[in-house]
Amino acid sequence: AQSVAQPEDQVNVAEGNPLTVKCTYSVSGNPYLFWYVQYPNRGLQFLLKYITGDNLVKGSYGFEAEFNKSQTSFHLKKPSALVSDSALYFCATLSYNQGGKLIFGQGTELSVKP
Amino acid sequence: SAVISQKPSRDICQRGTSLTIQCQVDSQVTMMFWYRQQPGQSLTLIATANQGSEATYESGFVIDKFPISRPNLTFSTLTVSNMSPEDSSIYLCSATGTGNSYEQYFGPGTRLTVT
Repeated sequence: AQSVAQPEDQVNVAEGNPLTVKCTYSVSGNPYLFWYVQYPNRGLQFLLKYITGDNLVKGSYGFEAEFNKSQTSFHLKKPSALVSDSALYFCATLSYNQGGKLIFGQGTELSVKP
Repeated sequence: SAVISQKPSRDICQRGTSLTIQCQVDSQVTMMFWYRQQPGQSLTLIATANQGSEATYESGFVIDKFPISRPNLTFSTLTVSNMSPEDSSIYLCSATGTGNSYEQYFGPGTRLTVT
């Protein structure tokens, strides 16, 4: 079965420092990987995706993610964190042989302190 | 990208009653889904809303409890039937656009509290 895992429930970063939110995947075949962000009392917003091509994917709000096949990882990164980046982040994979549904990780709460 | 709206945004309901949540997309989409999320937790897929046919339910979810309609390509409803406090949650609608972008867009959610 396809799955993604986010090993950290919470990540704390000082404003201006680089941030990393980790995600590993277990997928048979080529993985389709996504990152979403959820601000308090809001729906999920799409950040970026990896389908094929360059391993470094750039997305919204200055975020990027690196697809690493050997480590089965898709970590989300940003060079300089902002307080406004504080939110709940979800990694997901697409189960394209099961009707296109998304399978989500458990989520990582990112807290950026000034 | 698709813009998705949901109504109501929140509601407080008594146990034993039913609530219907509406989901409207501003453009034609291929797939529509309904998720449930406890605050601060991950999302659990309830079902895939199929246009013109019965929804496809995930394990643990049944049509009698969560009837779903999708009369056209831009609209779907989820009903939470015979509610109990355990149904208190956030219900999210999502949709995948046409083409091969594979991106799934989400509505703002409906926060349901059952007393």
